[in-house]
Amino acid sequence: GAVVSQHPSRVICKSGTSVKIECRSLDFQATTMFWYRQFPKQSLMLMATSNEGSKATYEQGVEKDKFLINHASLTLSTLTVTSAHPEDSSFYICSAARTGEQFFGPGTRLTVL
Amino acid sequence: GQQLNQSPQSMFIQEGEDVSMNCTSSSIFNTWLWYKQEPGEGPVLLIALYKAGELTSNGRLTAQFGITRKDSFLNISASIPSDVGIYFCAGVSGSRLTFGEGTQLTVNP
Repeated sequence: GAVVSQHPSRVICKSGTSVKIECRSLDFQATTMFWYRQFPKQSLMLMATSNEGSKATYEQGVEKDKFLINHASLTLSTLTVTSAHPEDSSFYICSAARTGEQFFGPGTRLTVL
Repeated sequence: GQQLNQSPQSMFIQEGEDVSMNCTSSSIFNTWLWYKQEPGEGPVLLIALYKAGELTSNGRLTAQFGITRKDSFLNISASIPSDVGIYFCAGVSGSRLTFGEGTQLTVNP
């Protein structure tokens, strides 16, 4: 149990467009999900904490108007990168919390041309 | 904010050798976690440590939670080619994970 999926696994988009990434907990309910960003050869950096039914909590330096998070159900959180630019190209990873432990998704590779 | 220093940054070893990596923190954590990440994948939990001084094994992996609660190490014994990947430590404070910078492990057959 405790499987987390992400969709899409890879996305390429043009600069200025918006991209939505989905994170689903497949076999458990998660009131809290987390979104991380990982640049090449770097560590995972927490972007925001997503709580079901309430506003996300963003880390310092992460623009909430640019990275829109919606956690509308106990099994789904979405991250929308609005008006994406090449510097937003990164590996975006979500995790879902169950009994205090975080279970990670497989990541989404975003490339902005 | 909290920072984790992980070393070494990379290791190149021969199959069969033992490996050791460690993390130190400027602040105390209540839980230490060790993850492995393979290219294009999310991190997978290897070992979780919940008490200062705790020594825990998972197959060929052994990890310890430092007495000061500010450090942890991970040992891999008798490495094999499939051990290749990036290993991350993570300190847990509340619901937040703070990750170390990672150790890239390469195992030559």
